[in-house]
Amino acid sequence: EAGVAQSPRYKIIEKRQSVAFWCNPISGHATLYWYQQILGQGPKLLIQFQNNGVVDDSQLPKDRFSAERLKGVDSTLKIQPAKLEDSAVYLCASSWGLGGLAGVMGTDTQYFGPGTRLTVL
Amino acid sequence: GQQLNQSPQSMFIQEGEDVSMNCTSSSIFNTWLWYKQDPGEGPVLLIALYKAGELTSNGRLTAQFGITRKDSFLNISASIPSDVGIYFCAGQRYGNKLVFGAGTILRVKS
Repeated sequence: EAGVAQSPRYKIIEKRQSVAFWCNPISGHATLYWYQQILGQGPKLLIQFQNNGVVDDSQLPKDRFSAERLKGVDSTLKIQPAKLEDSAVYLCASSWGLGGLAGVMGTDTQYFGPGTRLTVL
Repeated sequence: GQQLNQSPQSMFIQEGEDVSMNCTSSSIFNTWLWYKQDPGEGPVLLIALYKAGELTSNGRLTAQFGITRKDSFLNISASIPSDVGIYFCAGQRYGNKLVFGAGTILRVKS
């Protein structure tokens, strides 16, 4: 089974430039997540999609970050304009998106991609 | 936002030694998870715990869900060089939102 794919793996830009990241989840996974991982910290959820709808974007800096999952499969995360503090690894994860008891029990395992390392100069 | 306190921040141990790390929270979680992250890769799930008091093993790894539901620990027995990496705890509530600790960096001296 193919894992979560992300591209590019590395990106270096200057502040105030724009950048976009792409994620292709595991086939059949309904839920897709974007995390930001700053050096020395654990991942922080930015946005969660269920199919093509947003479930949680409470920690997404909406003045500069945007994300979409138009067809409910792959997704893009965009930063416009970038700031120095946006330097981080951006991780995409996916899960089956089980509803009902599995969702309540939290047994819907998230599988992570390798991430995109962004450096803002 | 929600904070998980993970300790120790880093460990440098001899090959063959046992390792312990733990995670505490001021709030209750329904699920505790332990992940390992290798350089240049995303986190990989090691163990998931779903009930208070639960003790679960995965090979040389053993983890427990604290009875207060506010803590968890991970033990690695007889460490080997490939155990090197960053170990993260994560708490999960309804709706799959994960809250991660800051990680424990494990270095093994062969």
